[in-house]
Amino acid sequence: AQSVTQLGSHVSVSEGALVLLRCNYSSSVPPYLFWYVQYPNQGLQLLLKYTTGATLVKGINGFEAEFKKSETSFHLTKPSAHMSDAAEYFCAVSVQQGGSEKLVFGKGTKLTVNP
Amino acid sequence: AAGVIQSPRHLIKEKRETATLKCYPIPRHDTVYWYQQGPGQDPQFLISFYEKMQSDKGSIPDRFSAQQFSDYHSELNMSSLELGDSALYFCASSLGWTGATGELFFGEGSRLTVL
Repeated sequence: AQSVTQLGSHVSVSEGALVLLRCNYSSSVPPYLFWYVQYPNQGLQLLLKYTTGATLVKGINGFEAEFKKSETSFHLTKPSAHMSDAAEYFCAVSVQQGGSEKLVFGKGTKLTVNP
Repeated sequence: AAGVIQSPRHLIKEKRETATLKCYPIPRHDTVYWYQQGPGQDPQFLISFYEKMQSDKGSIPDRFSAQQFSDYHSELNMSSLELGDSALYFCASSLGWTGATGELFFGEGSRLTVL
């Protein structure tokens, strides 16, 4: 079954430091992978997605992620953290089975940005 | 641009009561998904509909039912509410399979509190 695992439920960085949120996937077929961000008391907003093509994917707010098949990873990075990046981040994989499709999410990583 | 609309945004119910959540997808989107996110948890897939037919079913309790109407809006009906049903309920929509478009669009969520 397709799934994603996020390493680290909490990540804390200083403002201006590199942000690295880890996500590994398990899939027997080429995966479609996503990163979503959730600010407190808000819905899920798509940051970026990988479906096919270029393995380095750029998203909104300066985030990017690289699909590495050899490492089964899709880590999310941002060169310089801003206070406004503090939120919960979810990695997700699109699971197709029996003629239907849905997103399966990881457990989430809460990012704290310290001044 | 029009987004996914969910109502009500907040709902407080007593145990054993019934609640109905509504979801209005992005215009022309034909697929609707319902997710449940408990406190500090990742979103869990409940059920999805494509062209008004149930397309997939996840960890949805038998006390819950849902349907998609001719105008593509969807309703999630929850009966015999339990304390554990307190959660944020997300609706998402897409045009066909996410594999085709690569994205689910999420609403802001409906927060259900069961007392």
